[in-house]
Amino acid sequence: AQKITQTQPGMFVQEKEAVTLDCTYDTSDPSYGLFWYKQPSSGEMIFLIYQGSYDQQNATEGRYSLNFQKARKSANLVISASQLGDSAMYFCAMREGRESDMRFGAGTRLTVKP
Amino acid sequence: GAVVSQHPSWVICKSGTSVKIECRSLDFQATTMFWYRQFPKQSLMLMATSNEGSKATYEQGVEKDKFLINHASLTLSTLTVTSAHPEDSSFYICSTAGYSNQPQHFGDGTRLSIL
Repeated sequence: AQKITQTQPGMFVQEKEAVTLDCTYDTSDPSYGLFWYKQPSSGEMIFLIYQGSYDQQNATEGRYSLNFQKARKSANLVISASQLGDSAMYFCAMREGRESDMRFGAGTRLTVKP
Repeated sequence: GAVVSQHPSWVICKSGTSVKIECRSLDFQATTMFWYRQFPKQSLMLMATSNEGSKATYEQGVEKDKFLINHASLTLSTLTVTSAHPEDSSFYICSTAGYSNQPQHFGDGTRLSIL
């Protein structure tokens, strides 16, 4: 069963504006981690931000922040002050427990317009 | 710097050829590594879990005889696509394992094109 859901196949944002990429997840494991990765057209997976299931505060990393709503099982990525270089595929992922593999959502293609 | 080194980056070969892709962990020991496959405009799909010194664990629907995985040392895992055909053309990417609070570090991926 699909455990990570990204409902936005594509998103557009104007340069310098903020954008939110949606992600919902499903798990019965109380211990899990949520991750966002960026994949430019060159293919490499770039780790952006992490949120643990027990973390009380939303994670932030520079222009990236994660809007974590545990009861709703959502972990949306917020990118502030979008830049042209932010245009890429963005994947939400979840890992449950110890040394388990990471499962990915379908991804959202973000296009930043000048 | 890079945590995981994956080679080659690009492979173009004829149908029927076997192709080996290497994934090396740099500066750390990796008892477990993951191999993913990604078709154009799709997400990463886990193919198999590579375990050092033991057999790999394959996801349902992945042919173990087609995709041979060897994890003979703590720093090297290899994926061999045997007798590759055009439908095997895809982007293959490896990654490290870790605990739930650790990001997986990915290789840069291998674009495989079978003519």
